[in-house]
Amino acid sequence: DQQVKQNSPSLSVQEGRISILNCDYTNSMFDYFLWYKKYPAEGPTFLISISSIKDKNEDGRFTVFLNKSAKHLSLHIVPSQPGDSAVYFCAASDGGSEKLVFGKGTKLTVNP
Amino acid sequence: DTEVTQTPKHLVMGMTNKKSLKCEQHMGHRAMYWYKQKAKKPPELMFVYSYEKLSINESVPSRFSPECPNSSLLNLHLHALQPEDSALYLCASSPGQGKYGQPQHFGDGTRLSIL
Repeated sequence: DQQVKQNSPSLSVQEGRISILNCDYTNSMFDYFLWYKKYPAEGPTFLISISSIKDKNEDGRFTVFLNKSAKHLSLHIVPSQPGDSAVYFCAASDGGSEKLVFGKGTKLTVNP
Repeated sequence: DTEVTQTPKHLVMGMTNKKSLKCEQHMGHRAMYWYKQKAKKPPELMFVYSYEKLSINESVPSRFSPECPNSSLLNLHLHALQPEDSALYLCASSPGQGKYGQPQHFGDGTRLSIL
């Protein structure tokens, strides 16, 4: 049973436009959510996180929105840059658990 | 540059070989993790060490044997692996249990191929 779902395997946007990556979860115990970016031949790199007491967290060009009632979060990248082209994983954990559950990832391509 | 260092970057071994993967971090983190990642799949948790004690084993076959010699080092000993064990093995670390809301930091992984 997939507890964290990223339903879009890929997304393509133009440089300078907004990229919106979506993630849904089913486990209501999850209270900490993270986004990781992964380039080929590298490990995942932590991007941004949000706890369930917030509905928005911003870091530069990256903003994560959390809708607890819908069990949905999204990552907005504005403006998108070609260097943002990577696979983006959504991950979740509960109660400070050391165990992260990952989604299957969305491959973002930003075209110049 | 990643703050979690994994060696070797690539490893090819036969099914009867014994080898070890190594992971090192110097961030003072007290939790360390092994993940397995197959192509086009998300990382799957294998083991968690918390304060140098094994706290989670995700029902991993015994041909994978983790070891945490000290708070900075994590090893994964491999023996009698199968071709389906070929994957990217990722190590990660985080401040540790009780440090709520701290992300895990990953190394670049070891690409393992079983012949």
